[in-house]
Amino acid sequence: SYELTQPPSVSVSPGQTATITCSGDKLGAKFVSWYQQKAGQSPVLIIYQDNKRPSGIPERFSGSNSGNTATLTVSGAQDMDESDYYCQTWDSGTAIVVFGGGTKLSVL
Amino acid sequence: EVQLVESGGGLEQPGRSLRLSCTGSGFSFGDYAVHWVRQAPGRGLEWVSFIGKRIYGGATQYAASVKGRFTISRDDSKSIAYLQMNRLQIEDTAVYYCARGTIGYNNALWLDPWGQGTLVTVSS
Repeated sequence: SYELTQPPSVSVSPGQTATITCSGDKLGAKFVSWYQQKAGQSPVLIIYQDNKRPSGIPERFSGSNSGNTATLTVSGAQDMDESDYYCQTWDSGTAIVVFGGGTKLSVL
Repeated sequence: EVQLVESGGGLEQPGRSLRLSCTGSGFSFGDYAVHWVRQAPGRGLEWVSFIGKRIYGGATQYAASVKGRFTISRDDSKSIAYLQMNRLQIEDTAVYYCARGTIGYNNALWLDPWGQGTLVTVSS
């Protein structure tokens, strides 16, 4: 079965840039979405189709996907960005959806 | 406002059954797929199942961990999707979220929005 691998944790200083990676075999040939989940809340979509932001999502969130790695970039990280982040893709042939294990972003 | 609301969670014994509901509002429910995703305490997101639009035959798919035990269905006249969970196991303990699924023109899939979740606890 297809797997996505994320680092368990990433730390960033306020105002700096955080990058969260998501790795999978030939992931660049698939499309990736990213979700933010704050403590005690439901996940929220922040990036879809590799690099598109839904309305209302700040411009400091951006995404890219190439080769075996997708990347979520948080430019100018703020305290409010402290959350768990999950990448997601799917196999349209089998209709199986896959999530990465999640990355806890700490802003300190 | 586009919204999904889950209900039906609770405490159940191993081997028993539970049915979750996901009620949509603020959008044309029948025009979207519905996915169930669960999150065990302190763990990450695990995709459980999806049901496609009725116009495409309402195709379904399940994660290997629940296949044969869980059944997903939908009633578009009521804007509700169901997850029937049979032969519950302790490992099924989790918050269960439903989410609206959208497939882009290039076959990208994203889930938005998500409901608030309903807690299922399986314990003797």
